[in-house]
Amino acid sequence: DQQVKQNSPSLSVQEGRISILNCDYTNSMFDYFLWYKKYPAEGPTFLISISSIKDKNEDGRFTVFLNKSAKHLSLHIVPSQPGDSAVYFCAALRTNQGGKLIFGQGTELSVKP
Amino acid sequence: DTAVSQTPKYLVTQMGNDKSIKCEQNLGHDTMYWYKQDSKKFLKIMFSYNNKELIINETVPNRFSPKSPDKAHLNLHINSLELGDSAVYFCASSRDWGNTEAFFGQGTRLTVV
Repeated sequence: DQQVKQNSPSLSVQEGRISILNCDYTNSMFDYFLWYKKYPAEGPTFLISISSIKDKNEDGRFTVFLNKSAKHLSLHIVPSQPGDSAVYFCAALRTNQGGKLIFGQGTELSVKP
Repeated sequence: DTAVSQTPKYLVTQMGNDKSIKCEQNLGHDTMYWYKQDSKKFLKIMFSYNNKELIINETVPNRFSPKSPDKAHLNLHINSLELGDSAVYFCASSRDWGNTEAFFGQGTRLTVV
């Protein structure tokens, strides 16, 4: 039972344009959401997060939007840069269960010059 | 300075062997985790320790035994290795049990032949 889903395994975007990565979840008890970025042969690195009490969080070129009623979140990267090419994982957790992250299966983003 | 380091990075071994993966974090964090990324790229939590105490054990076969000699180390010992154990294993840490942001090691690619 996959509680966090990223339905697009890959996304290709032109440099300078916006990248939009999507994530859906099924468990309404999740109250915190995170995005991680992963390069080949490296571990995931934290990118940005959002609490369920908010609907938007912005950090530089990265913005995460949360739509609780639709159980959907998205990561916007603008402008996209070639160095953003990586696999992006969406993760969710219930903060009363500590740091137990439930991950989606990842979306591979390719930003072309 | 590597924050979360795992050794070895690659491990190839035969079925039936016993092997260990070591993990150390120099961030002063209280909580450490083991995650497994399978062939379908899903990242799933296996164990979590808080101050050397086991707090999460996610239906992992008892051939897998984590050991935390101190809060900076969480090693993973696997007995009687099976082909299905082939995966990438990631160690991670977070400041404390209630903290949401986890820092990951670079991963250990285990191949059982």
